[in-house]
Amino acid sequence: AQRVTQPEKLLSVFKGAPVELKCNYSYSGSPELFWYVQYSRQRLQLLLRHISRESIKGFTADLNKGETSFHLKKPFAQEEDSAMYYCALRRSQGNLIFGKGTKLSVKP
Amino acid sequence: KAGVTQTPRYLIKTRGQQVTLSCSPISGHRSVSWYQQTPGQGLQFLFEYFSETQRNKGNFPGRFSGRQFSNSRSEMNVSTLELGDSALYLCASSLALGRGETQYFGPGTRLLVL
Repeated sequence: AQRVTQPEKLLSVFKGAPVELKCNYSYSGSPELFWYVQYSRQRLQLLLRHISRESIKGFTADLNKGETSFHLKKPFAQEEDSAMYYCALRRSQGNLIFGKGTKLSVKP
Repeated sequence: KAGVTQTPRYLIKTRGQQVTLSCSPISGHRSVSWYQQTPGQGLQFLFEYFSETQRNKGNFPGRFSGRQFSNSRSEMNVSTLELGDSALYLCASSLALGRGETQYFGPGTRLLVL
């Protein structure tokens, strides 16, 4: 069965520290993976997608098919990065399967 | 362009009632998806519409239904409400279906069932 696992419910780091939000997936086909972010009182928005191989707000994520992972990384966390982060996988039929989310708290 | 809009934003109903939620996609977007978000289950896919046709459906009971109109606006209906239906219902739109398409989310409708 298709599944997205985010093992950490809460991740707390200090400003300037590196951050890594983990995401593992289970999917038999060729996955399309995303990271979505939800800042306080804002709507869910796309942060980045694996096919773009881009860096957004200093975040990067690399698809590792061998380890079936798509971890989100940032070398130096900022207070404004505090938010809920959701990893998602798109099935071939089109809908997204989301992980339960990780709340990132960046302390000053 | 205006983003995805959802109405109403908040709703309180009692068990056994029915409710209709509305979603207006970004102009030009023809695909609309619905998700239910709860603290326990997280974000779960309900259904997806494209060109007025349901293309995909999640694992929810038949009390949950939806439709899409010719202008791409979508509604979802929940009949015989149960306490467990209390959730944030999110709508997302995209230009089309399938790989490579980005889904843009609305602010959600928060439904409380008493």
